[in-house]
Amino acid sequence: EVQLVESGGGLVKPGGSLRLSCAASGFTFSSNTMNWVRQAPGKGLEWVSSISSGSSYMFFADSVKGRFTISRDNAQNSLSLQMNSLRVEDTGVYYCARERDRYGEFDFWGQGTQVTVSS
Amino acid sequence: SELTQDPAASVALGQTVTITCQGDSLRSYYGSWYQQKPGQAPVLVIYGQNIRPSGIPDRFSGSSSGDTISLTITGAQTEDEADYYCNSRDTSGGQRVFGGGTKLTV
Repeated sequence: EVQLVESGGGLVKPGGSLRLSCAASGFTFSSNTMNWVRQAPGKGLEWVSSISSGSSYMFFADSVKGRFTISRDNAQNSLSLQMNSLRVEDTGVYYCARERDRYGEFDFWGQGTQVTVSS
Repeated sequence: SELTQDPAASVALGQTVTITCQGDSLRSYYGSWYQQKPGQAPVLVIYGQNIRPSGIPDRFSGSSSGDTISLTITGAQTEDEADYYCNSRDTSGGQRVFGGGTKLTV
């Protein structure tokens, strides 16, 4: 059974940093591109970042470029999102999601971790 | 690049509703559809134009034409009341993008 479990969320002040993790199991983690998607309170889904299976390609939404970095450890089946210079507008639930190559769909999602940026 | 969805739609119980998503990138890349109920993670319902993942009822179907993809629910049920989001790559092929979501009322 595919499982994605996010952790690392919490309350942080504007300008602060937070590192999110996503533990993957039930599939060959090293075979899939992985993504982070977030959702601000009462708002829609916003794609944040993706990383290819071998970490060769990384992409970021314009809203987080230069502040967030994405990484993965295929030996440990884990995905990370380092978030720096956090802003109030970064508040939301952060999901990790598995992507499949042929059609680009996000076929499995974690349950999400809450990030709150507030003074 | 953006994907545009109508913010809301409604359908009577047992009737058919179609939700659309429009964007230039859909001419080049496949789109997918996600259902999200309050307090829950999104669930993939359609991908690759019209492929349903295992466990998704066959009342859900998809189609594509030009720069628009569509999600159709034939014989809507109360449990289909949810937010629906489309997703694809942007025109550069690197970034991914979600539509703004359609709140479906049954």
